[in-house]
Amino acid sequence: DVKVTQSSRYLVKRTGEKVFLECVQDMDHENMFWYRQDPGLGLRLIYFSYDVKMKEKGDIPEGYSVSREKKERFSLILESASTNQTSMYLCASRSTRGRSNGYTFGSGTRLTVV
Amino acid sequence: DAKTTQPPSMDCAEGRAANLPCNHSTISGNEYVYWYRQIHSQGPQYIIHGLKNNETNEMASLIITEDRKSSTLILPHATLRDTAVYYCIVRVEGTGANNLFFGTGTRLTVIP
Repeated sequence: DVKVTQSSRYLVKRTGEKVFLECVQDMDHENMFWYRQDPGLGLRLIYFSYDVKMKEKGDIPEGYSVSREKKERFSLILESASTNQTSMYLCASRSTRGRSNGYTFGSGTRLTVV
Repeated sequence: DAKTTQPPSMDCAEGRAANLPCNHSTISGNEYVYWYRQIHSQGPQYIIHGLKNNETNEMASLIITEDRKSSTLILPHATLRDTAVYYCIVRVEGTGANNLFFGTGTRLTVIP
């Protein structure tokens, strides 16, 4: 029962390309997040969204933008891909209601920029 | 959010209990302890969380010391599929999309 779906598991893009990473959740969660995970650095927050049409910068937003036009979908955009954006990208969602409000993660997208 | 300290790696025999420790000596009164795990090439998976009392669910048990400065995640009967990196995180609950600091976690290897 997949609940957070990332559109691609693996992507290879060229330097300078505009890249879209899509994330969809079916749990009616308010909060959604984009992280990147690199060896030795753990998970670093790129952007997050409290709710529809709302977005906030995380720790490393440079070179990225996001879009949340619908509650279930949170898109990460690399305006002009660079090799230092080669990474594993993880989308997560979280409900602000109820007691058990842990984060639910997608399976990740491994992006390689060449 | 308070930081946590975990051993970098642990081994456990299949079928035995795996006890994963976590120190969070600077935890504040309104911070919860969360545990996640990440199996290779997958996204992190929520396991359990708690504030003061011990908690149990279908995956694991969480034991929090009385002073809340440390906790232990217990997998009662470890299987090979429990091999993963386990992350202990403390964070304030409530609304708002707080960052989730994962750290480097404990790499648990379940041995046949």
